Amino acid sequence: GGIITQTPKFLIGQEGQKLTLKCQQNFNHDTMYWYRQDSGKGLRLIYYSITENDLQKGDLSEGYDASREKKSSFSLTVTSAQKNEMAVFLCASSIEGPNTGQLYFGEGSKLTVL
Amino acid sequence: GDSVTQTEGQVALSEEDFLTIHCNYSASGYPALFWYVQYPGEGPQFLFRASRDKEKGSSRGFEATYDKGTTSFHLRKASVQESDSAVYYCALGDPSSGSWQLIFGSGTQLTVMP
Repeated sequence: GGIITQTPKFLIGQEGQKLTLKCQQNFNHDTMYWYRQDSGKGLRLIYYSITENDLQKGDLSEGYDASREKKSSFSLTVTSAQKNEMAVFLCASSIEGPNTGQLYFGEGSKLTVL
Repeated sequence: GDSVTQTEGQVALSEEDFLTIHCNYSASGYPALFWYVQYPGEGPQFLFRASRDKEKGSSRGFEATYDKGTTSFHLRKASVQESDSAVYYCALGDPSSGSWQLIFGSGTQLTVMP
């Protein structure tokens, strides 16, 4: 089996700060994703990447940047944290696209902005 | 755009009760449908999928049948256990749109009392 490791698990930032979340997978999967999870709103896609150095925007990409420099890693940057923002960011990977395979998720990184 | 609706935000049952969580979708194409489960402190886990009308997906005693006529994919289990307490997400992926996004519903919190 494999695992997805997200760091940090908890991130506290200040308004306007640039904050970066990291994700590593050892499944050797091609496709990786970042989702945002808000209470009562489900999961919304921020960015995904089909292969190394590829980036595709999801519906929620505004305010975020992403980077996929290696097949095994995918990072997400909050470009300017919003005051009172609180959400869980979930990284996932899949061997094929989501319409054929299944997504494997990490445990999440919880962001709190003071 | 495509969407997934889960009408129950919370469901409370006793052990051995029958479970139904409703999921309806709206899609311009012919989507694949998924159920994911998320236990506290963990990321969502794939339960099962279905990609054709009348196809039944199942896993761990849970099942759902793809119904194109009613655009539904309701989750059912005959006899729930306390260990089934979790958040359940219905999701769709639409290959005809050329999008690699999985669209998730808002989730249903299931609480099973002993």
